[in-house]
Amino acid sequence: DIVMTQSPDSLAVSLGERATINCKSSQSVLYSSNNKNYLAWYQQKPGQPPNLLIYWASTRESGVPDRFSGSGSGTDFTLTISSLQAEDAAVYYCQQYYSTPYTFGQGTKLEIK
Amino acid sequence: QVQLQESGPGLVKPSETLSLTCTVSGDSISNYYWSWIRQPPGKGLEWMGYIYSSGSTNYNPSLKSRVTISVDTSKNHFSLQLSSVTAADTAVYYCARERRAGGYVVFDYWGQGTLVTVSS
Repeated sequence: DIVMTQSPDSLAVSLGERATINCKSSQSVLYSSNNKNYLAWYQQKPGQPPNLLIYWASTRESGVPDRFSGSGSGTDFTLTISSLQAEDAAVYYCQQYYSTPYTFGQGTKLEIK
Repeated sequence: QVQLQESGPGLVKPSETLSLTCTVSGDSISNYYWSWIRQPPGKGLEWMGYIYSSGSTNYNPSLKSRVTISVDTSKNHFSLQLSSVTAADTAVYYCARERRAGGYVVFDYWGQGTLVTVSS
């Protein structure tokens, strides 16, 4: 199985500031034939299911605000929220779909400072 | 708008079989992959397995001997059975639709989740 490890486990950021969440995979999720990274990011608010934010490591899902961006390749990835809004307080998960079993990171809890 | 709704018992006894159904509305269950994902209280997400509308399946090896996913296209629903449950299987169980396009696999629609507690 591909193990996904996120850091930090939690962070507190002030409104309007930048938030950065990291995700590392135990093996590369870059598929050489199409040069795409098989990685997605989800946001989960309390009492709700996860919501898809980004796939292909950097492609925003339709309707996701452009303050959310993804970057990275191979085994190291980052989710950045450029200017934190109050509604961004949530737990964020990375997920690989390079191979089954699909696996998720342990989650990063983002709070407003 | 696609909607998914989990249903089933919220309490299951140890060693028994957990059974849940996910009813899909707003679209046909055909030609899609459908997954079960669970989340123990306060913990992360675990993908349990998927089924295609034709009935082909792929299970997480960590659960493979205990999990069965089935589909009933006439009722537009799919189901999960997890046998020999223990307290470690206590979790919120989500059903979700996989969107596959150009090679990516993401979960674009989710049910609200149902808490299943394993306890005598």
